[in-house]
Amino acid sequence: KNEVEQSPQNLTAQEGEFITINCSYSVGISALHWLQQHPGGGIVSLFMLSSGKKKHGRLIATINIQEKHSSLHITASHPRDSAVYICAVRSGQGAQKLVFGQGTRLTINP
Amino acid sequence: DAGITQSPRYKITETGRQVTLMCHQTWSHSYMFWYRQDLGHGLRLIYYSAAADITDKGEVPDGYVVSRSKTENFPLTLESATRSQTSVYFCASASGRGSTFQETQYFGPGTRLLVL
Repeated sequence: KNEVEQSPQNLTAQEGEFITINCSYSVGISALHWLQQHPGGGIVSLFMLSSGKKKHGRLIATINIQEKHSSLHITASHPRDSAVYICAVRSGQGAQKLVFGQGTRLTINP
Repeated sequence: DAGITQSPRYKITETGRQVTLMCHQTWSHSYMFWYRQDLGHGLRLIYYSAAADITDKGEVPDGYVVSRSKTENFPLTLESATRSQTSVYFCASASGRGSTFQETQYFGPGTRLLVL
């Protein structure tokens, strides 16, 4: 079993829909990251969370440390949100490494 | 140019040849990382470096060599390329405080490597 599991693996929705992508992990962590990989391949860091919730524009990330679960939400989705969204965890204080989920491929149709 | 760059962006080589992928960052970040991305595996850490002359293995280091003589450069060498090393390679950097890297990792654009 992977240390980081994302669901769904693929998600197709219509423009304007509310999107939720889930990430579950099996180890104790000091931080969780959400990344976005564009169709051209570039990777951008969206959020780093250690507790609670963060919001940036139409993107909201939440984490529940007790349940070892995080969600990434996109409100009023748009075709330009189409990308692969990747969850990664940093296990423990002082850990130098991120462990990545396999990503969720999101397609937003106009 | 400011930021993090990788070269070449595309490379085709043959089995057994030595290949070096370059990574350069202009932020003076202390931490640098090399990842490979393959279908079905996601991103996997090959090597990382906490500072110049300090490197350590990641999850999949076999067949790769790294060096870091200058803070801004972190080359990755495939000593004798194999077909299983066909992949997309990403370099990343992050600022550091003490013994850990901080928050955001900044990724380069990637190098697509095909080993025939």
